Amino acid sequence: AQSVSQHNHHVILSEAASLELGCNYSYGGTVNLFWYVQYPGQHLQLLLKYFSGDPLVKGIKGFEAEFIKSKFSFNLRKPSVQWSDTAEYFCAVNDLLEYGNKLVFGAGTILRVKS
Amino acid sequence: GAGVSQSPRYKVAKRGQDVALRCDPISGHVSLFWYQQALGQGPEFLTYFQNEAQLDKSGLPSDRFFAERPEGSVSTLKIQRTQQEDSAVYLCASSFPSVSANTGELFFGEGSRLTVL
Repeated sequence: AQSVSQHNHHVILSEAASLELGCNYSYGGTVNLFWYVQYPGQHLQLLLKYFSGDPLVKGIKGFEAEFIKSKFSFNLRKPSVQWSDTAEYFCAVNDLLEYGNKLVFGAGTILRVKS
Repeated sequence: GAGVSQSPRYKVAKRGQDVALRCDPISGHVSLFWYQQALGQGPEFLTYFQNEAQLDKSGLPSDRFFAERPEGSVSTLKIQRTQQEDSAVYLCASSFPSVSANTGELFFGEGSRLTVL
C-alpha cells in the first residue's frame, strides 16, 4: 500500500530561521503531491501542489517544495519563518490510477515558531 | 457559506450509542470524502462518493461505520454502537470528479470531533 512518511513530528524554530520539512512517499508510479497546513483551530487548507513540470513548486505565504523523483521526496521549505507559520503541516500523495481520487496523508509535522 | 460545512463540531457519546455526522460539501462539487483523524495522526481515508454513488469504502474500519449521500449533495457518516477507539476527528472534504477537471485538491471542513466515553 502506498504510504507517506514525514520525518519530524515536532519542530521548534525561532522567527527568521529557515525551515525544511521532509516528506517521502512509497509509490513508484505517477503521483500528484501536496502540502496541506492546519492552523490552530482552523480546517486543513492547501499550501501547494505538484502535478507536473517544474519540480520546484511555489505556494502561498512564501512556501516552496521540491519534487525529487529519484528520492521519492517532496520536501517543504521556507527561507524565513514567521510566528504566524505555527501550524501542523501534512504531506499528501494522490495516485489517480490506483487510488482514484483520494489523498494519502503523512502523520503531520507540528511546527512551533518562537517569537 | 462557500466552504465545506460539518455538524456537529463536537459530539460526546456513551459507548454503545449511535452517532450521525453531517457534511455539506461545496456547491457543485460532486466528489465527497470522509477521513478519520486520530490524535497525533494524519487523516486516514474512510470512504469516497461521486455524486450519490459510493465508489470506495475500503477505509471504513468495521461494519459499524456507514456512509450515505442519497441525493449527491449532503452526506452523513453514521457510526453504530460506538467504541472508545472511534474517538477521533471526522473530516469531510469535497472536490471535482474527473481527471481533466480535477486539480486533485480537496477542500476540507473543520471536522466533527467525536469523543466516546
